[in-house]
Amino acid sequence: SQELEQSPQSLIVQEGKNLTINCTSSKTLYGLYWYKQKYGEGLIFLMMLQKGGEEKSHEKITAKLDEKKQQSSLHITASQPSHAGIYLCGADKTGANNLFFGTGTRLTVIP
Amino acid sequence: EAQVTQNPRYLITVTGKKLTVTCSQNMNHEYMSWYRQDPGLGLRQIYYSMNVEVTDKGDVPEGYKVSRKEKRNFPLILESPSPNQTSLYFCASTDILAASYNEQFFGPGTRLTVL
Repeated sequence: SQELEQSPQSLIVQEGKNLTINCTSSKTLYGLYWYKQKYGEGLIFLMMLQKGGEEKSHEKITAKLDEKKQQSSLHITASQPSHAGIYLCGADKTGANNLFFGTGTRLTVIP
Repeated sequence: EAQVTQNPRYLITVTGKKLTVTCSQNMNHEYMSWYRQDPGLGLRQIYYSMNVEVTDKGDVPEGYKVSRKEKRNFPLILESPSPNQTSLYFCASTDILAASYNEQFFGPGTRLTVL
């Protein structure tokens, strides 16, 4: 079965530091989604990448999808405590919006 | 406000007592889905629905039922809950007709404990 592997599983950074979270699939992805979840709460959509080589940014968060559409990275610049939470990558299995997800990266930002 | 709502948000029940978790969206989305989230396993899809009266199994459908009689509602039914169904449940919806690869909107989650 197709899986998404996220790394690292958890990350603790000092406020102001940059960080990167990775999401890797063994197969080509139709679409790659990044979500943020505050502990025990709902998911907040961050970005969706569709084309190989695509890059999108929102505020201090940048997401990239590699040319083969098998790996994505999420980069946060100058992290803040508000960035803390669980980051989940999700991918479209079939092009019909049936998403499967990685197990998440738990980010802690120390003030 | 465009949103997906779930009720109840928290539920503690006992083994074997039938329960329903409701999900409703006000965005006229065709596609709706249920996920469960467990530590170390991430989000896993239970059931999904492409439109009214069209439902299909996801990755972990055992022990669950769904129905889609109206476009806006997609209830999750546990006929005979068991402790291994203790989890955090999310409902999601998306507009699959507007364009490809649309954002899925998630509800706030329902934390279920089965004793």
